[in-house]
Amino acid sequence: SQTIHQWPATLVQPVGSPLSLECTVEGTSNPNLYWYRQAAGRGLQLLFYSVGIGQISSEVPQNLSASRPQDRQFILSSKKLLLSDSGFYLCAWSAALVNEQFFGPGTRLTVL
Amino acid sequence: AQRVTQPEKLLSVFKGAPVELKCNYSYSGSPELFWYVQYSRQRLQLLLRHISRESIKGFTADLNKGETSFHLKKPFAQEEDSAMYYCALSGRRGSTLGRLYFGRGTQLTVWP
Repeated sequence: SQTIHQWPATLVQPVGSPLSLECTVEGTSNPNLYWYRQAAGRGLQLLFYSVGIGQISSEVPQNLSASRPQDRQFILSSKKLLLSDSGFYLCAWSAALVNEQFFGPGTRLTVL
Repeated sequence: AQRVTQPEKLLSVFKGAPVELKCNYSYSGSPELFWYVQYSRQRLQLLLRHISRESIKGFTADLNKGETSFHLKKPFAQEEDSAMYYCALSGRRGSTLGRLYFGRGTQLTVWP
């Protein structure tokens, strides 16, 4: 069966520090991968999605970037964190051409 | 452009009362609609999708194309229904296929 992992589960970082959040999927090949940010009262905002290795689409301009170095690995990064980057980050995957998405446990990021 | 609106941020009902979580959408085409649910300390997960036309945990949702709505209903709410509910939309082709657009979510609380 397919599983999706995210780490770390929680992270506290100072303003200006770098960020790297990792997401991996098991049990499937060629998944579509997604990064969302969940902010209180603002719902789920799609940040990036990827349909294949090295293929990244950005939904909104921001301080973050994403990379997909391997088929089942999706990384969310920042060179210098801002206070506004605080939030709950969710990774998700879906089979190609299928609309149902499966979500990871999330990472709670606090920028101080 | 696609948009999903959930007008109620918070909704409270008593156990045994009917509950309706509202969702309206805008999309220039034939969308696929979903309801996702996030229980406390659990992952975001799919509750139901309109093409399945099924009842999950007593919940149903009918797609009303005339009113562009996809309201979630349950005739008798239970305490275990307390959770955050997200309505989501996906296109059936082109650049919106496989991508989910979420509403801001409705936090449902069912009182004993």
